[in-house]
Amino acid sequence: SQQGEEDPQALSIQEGENATMNCSYKTSINNLQWYRQNSGRGLVHLILIRSNEREKHSGRLRVTLDTSKKSSSLLITASRAADTASYFCATVSNTGGFKTIFGAGTRLFVKA
Amino acid sequence: KAGVTQTPRYLIKTRGQQVTLSCSPISGHRSVSWYQQTPGQGLQFLFEYFSETQRNKGNFPGRFSGRQFSNSRSEMNVSTLELGDSALYLCASSKTIEGGRGSTEAFFGQGTRLTVV
Repeated sequence: SQQGEEDPQALSIQEGENATMNCSYKTSINNLQWYRQNSGRGLVHLILIRSNEREKHSGRLRVTLDTSKKSSSLLITASRAADTASYFCATVSNTGGFKTIFGAGTRLFVKA
Repeated sequence: KAGVTQTPRYLIKTRGQQVTLSCSPISGHRSVSWYQQTPGQGLQFLFEYFSETQRNKGNFPGRFSGRQFSNSRSEMNVSTLELGDSALYLCASSKTIEGGRGSTEAFFGQGTRLTVV
């Protein structure tokens, strides 16, 4: 079963708007990462946030982490058509070696 | 530096056959993980190798196996292929910190798209 679950499953917005995606997970983690995937290709790493961090920024991306609620959010500001992709959160468990578990993803469509 | 290389990119096999997929990680990365991606099941973790040892395994049948060589290159093998094995198989490498206390981001290859007919 998936560790992370993204919400919403799909999101359609206009260029220039902000897009927010949420991720919930079940067990304690070492860190949480967000990835982007363009139509069936490999995933591209966007940002990593450690369990002792609450917020992190990278360009137009802002990630928050609430370990008490076991949830994270990814905000993309001023979205562009090129942001159209699937976004996945991935949790890295801090028990027994590395098993990076991905959620089902949020499909973002940015209309020009 | 070169990224993660997966070969072949596309593969068509017949039910019952076996297949071997290859992954060359980024130089210096010792951890290699494999994932299966299908429209219905999303990204499913297959296994992870570090220094030629399988450290973690997902919930897949024994038909799915893998190995890692001393140069960190990895292969995965699927025997007795079934139609449901049709998927995009992704390999990721990462520079895992020694001792397993935290991992950095994973770098993915473009994947091997396997079609079983």
